[in-house]
Amino acid sequence: DAGVIQSPRHEVTEMGQEVTLRCKPISGHDYLFWYRQTMMRGLELLIYFNNNVPIDDSGMPEDRFSAKMPNASFSTLKIQPSEPRDSAVYFCASSSITGSWNTGELFFGEGSRLTVL
Amino acid sequence: QQQVKQSPQSLIVQKGGISIINCAYENTAFDYFPWYQQFPGKGPALLIAIRPDVSEKKEGRFTISFNKSAKQFSLHIMDSQPGDSATYFCAASTQAGTALIFGKGTTLSVSS
Repeated sequence: DAGVIQSPRHEVTEMGQEVTLRCKPISGHDYLFWYRQTMMRGLELLIYFNNNVPIDDSGMPEDRFSAKMPNASFSTLKIQPSEPRDSAVYFCASSSITGSWNTGELFFGEGSRLTVL
Repeated sequence: QQQVKQSPQSLIVQKGGISIINCAYENTAFDYFPWYQQFPGKGPALLIAIRPDVSEKKEGRFTISFNKSAKQFSLHIMDSQPGDSATYFCAASTQAGTALIFGKGTTLSVSS
């Protein structure tokens, strides 16, 4: 398996523009997580899904942020409108808690670095 | 959301020395305590994890010590190597494989 795949790896946009980040989890995983990483706040959990259903979105900072998971192999995180303070690295991760091989590990993608000017 | 406190923020260790990073948690419902390692430009990756029914777990040069009554756990890196230079995060969750709450990270530099 290729691991968790995120796109784009880098995004530079102007304030006010819409940003869409994409994630393809590892096949067979039933949990998907979106995290944001900044120097000041570290790794923050934004939202997570179980079997495509949002379970906890209490970490989503504002209504400008939204996330969807239309099927088991794809998720998006959208920011509209974007602001300079949204500049961060956004990580997607996936995991599975079923099966005897479950180690509890969250597998992270390589992240999408967002810069809002 | 800051339920896991990590220290120190940065650490410089000589090659061959011992690196120690500490974490404390608040939520007694946490049942799974992993450490993740992150290199620049990469996502975090699981290093080692422990559950509260044991007080210590060792994998190679890496050891987790866990004190349930104090709600603290620590990572010890023995014989630290330059290749260990990275950012280390402690984390906690109520169930392995579900949402992790991370500490703010420790940047480790191992000098040769």
